[in-house]
Amino acid sequence: EPEVTQTPSHQVTQMGQEVILRCVPISNHLYFYWYRQILGQKVEFLVSFYNNEISEKSEIFDDQFSVERPDGSNFTLKIRSTKLEDSAMYFCASSSPRTGALWETQYFGPGTRLLVL
Amino acid sequence: SQQGEEDPQALSIQEGENATMNCSYKTSINNLQWYRQNSGRGLVHLILIRSNEREKHSGRLRVTLDTSKKSSSLLITASRAADTASYFCATDGYSSASKIIFGSGTRLSIRP
Repeated sequence: EPEVTQTPSHQVTQMGQEVILRCVPISNHLYFYWYRQILGQKVEFLVSFYNNEISEKSEIFDDQFSVERPDGSNFTLKIRSTKLEDSAMYFCASSSPRTGALWETQYFGPGTRLLVL
Repeated sequence: SQQGEEDPQALSIQEGENATMNCSYKTSINNLQWYRQNSGRGLVHLILIRSNEREKHSGRLRVTLDTSKKSSSLLITASRAADTASYFCATDGYSSASKIIFGSGTRLSIRP
């Protein structure tokens, strides 16, 4: 069964460093998402991406964050200058809408645990 | 404002018993989904119910949706130790076709 994959599974970085989290969505999906979950807290929406552009972003997704689909398979989240409070589990998700509908099941990857020191 | 809120926050039952978790939400929705998360792991999609549906089954899972009360329930029948996990409801933003909004989750523990 197709699944969303994410790399790395764990990343430790120093405050102020740039990190790139990578995702390979399910191959025939068209919508891509990033969410994060700070330890012990809710899963929070960061950004959605469709047709090579951001379709929606949350207030968390500030100028330090960017997303890119550099080729036909990868979807990346870049944090330019990490802060301590960026430590969280980051989940990528993808979905495939039916014709004329945009809301569908979102399939999540296993997550990347980011620790900022 | 918070969207999905699960109740109870934690539930501990004996293996073989049924587990019922509830979710309430505030705004209109197009669909509601339930996800499972094992400790420190990814989110596994369990079931999606649309706003025009009242009940849906998948194996040992039964989900109900009452849009008039803005609530949903997830019933797991004949629970097993492997069902130990956190369960989240997630609603779509009615005016937003893309993001889904997660609740705080119910931590379910199955005692052997």
